[in-house]
This record gives sequence, structure tokens and C-alpha cells, in this order.
Amino acid sequence: QLQLQESGPGLVKPSETLSLTCTVSGGSISSSSYYWGWIRQPPGKGLEWIGSIYYSGSTYYNPSLKSRVIISVDTSKNQFSLKLSSVTAADTAVYYCTRHGGGLSRNFDYWGQGTLVTVSS
Amino acid sequence: QSALTQPASVSGSPGQSITISCTGTSGDVGGYNYVSWYQQHPGKAPKLMIYDVTKRPSGVSNRFSGSKSGNTASLTISGLQADDEADYYCCSFAGSTTVFGGGTKLTVL
Repeated sequence: QLQLQESGPGLVKPSETLSLTCTVSGGSISSSSYYWGWIRQPPGKGLEWIGSIYYSGSTYYNPSLKSRVIISVDTSKNQFSLKLSSVTAADTAVYYCTRHGGGLSRNFDYWGQGTLVTVSS
Repeated sequence: QSALTQPASVSGSPGQSITISCTGTSGDVGGYNYVSWYQQHPGKAPKLMIYDVTKRPSGVSNRFSGSKSGNTASLTISGLQADDEADYYCCSFAGSTTVFGGGTKLTVL
């Protein structure tokens, strides 16, 4: 059974960089059929897609966050990572790592449990 | 403000059917057959219920069905059960991005 697990600091200071890693187990991140992505959810609010990456390193990002986001992949560790720079309180959210199918389908079929990141001094 | 518009809340009694709408534009819902729906219970990660407008992942009850007309997609839940009480989100491919609705809270009376 595929499992995704987020890890990283739960508290980040304003203007600093948020860094999270997602470890994939029970399957290979190098599967040609899937993309791996990040989605966030501010407390009490809705979902926001951040971006996705293919195992080859090809990425695409939410245009509203693109200037601050970098998503990378480490196939040797079966992990992918998120970096979000210049954070503010508005970036406080539960961050989920996910998997979705290739092509244009937005079938986010596997999710991590989510990790709360709070931006505060 | 979310890109896709959903009603804030819907309710129904056990055994009844309800429908949740998701309205977008020709740049997202109306332009592509790539709408998905997610169920989220409090404190849990979302769960994929419908993808590509009408497809149901393995393991999801056939009480859940999806459809689309123009710029509006819909999720219908038939034979409501207590465990269906949750938040529901629609999602659509939108060219250069992926957009979600604001979410709908389903209450089972």
C-alpha cells in the first residue's frame, strides 16, 4: 500500500523559507505514470494546489506562488521536497503531499496525513 | 476567494439524495473533462471520490456519482449515510494551473 509522509519544521519565522520533505513508501517515485504534488489548507479554509513534479524533475507551479516555490525530487531516497520562500502569516497552513495521475487528470489519489506549518516570530 | 464556486452547506436526511454544485468558467470546468471531487472528514486528509467528471476510484461506493453541464459540475450522493457527513471539495484542471472550490459542508440530519 502506497504511503506518503510529510516531514519538516512546524514553525517558520516570517521572511524565512519553509522546507518540507515527502517520503514515499510502498511504491516507487520513479513510476512513469504519476506526478507528485503539494497542496495546502489554511486553518478552517479550503484547499490550494501549490505545484507538482515528475520523477524526471519536470515541474509546474501555481502561478500565484510560482515566484516563491521550488519543488525538487530525489529518486534515490524516494522523496520529493517543497521550498517556499519569503513566508508570511498567510502561508500558515496544513501542507499535504500527494500523488496524481499523468496527463491532465487531477486525480489526487494518495495523500499524506498533512503537517501544520505555522509562520510566526 | 476560490476559483470554483460551491454552496457553503447542504443537508439531507439518511436515505435521501443530495447534489453539490461546482461552478467555474470555460477556462476550467467548462473547458475540460478533468473535474475531481474530494471528501474530507475533520482532522483528516481529503479522499478522492470522483475524477475525470464521472469516474469512481476503486473502493468508492457507487452511491457517489459525478456529472457536468457547461461550466457547472455536480456531485450526487444517494442513500445518504451518517458517515457521509463531511466537507466536499471540487477541483479542476485549468490550463496553467489547478483550482479548487471553496468547499461544501454536508450535514446528515
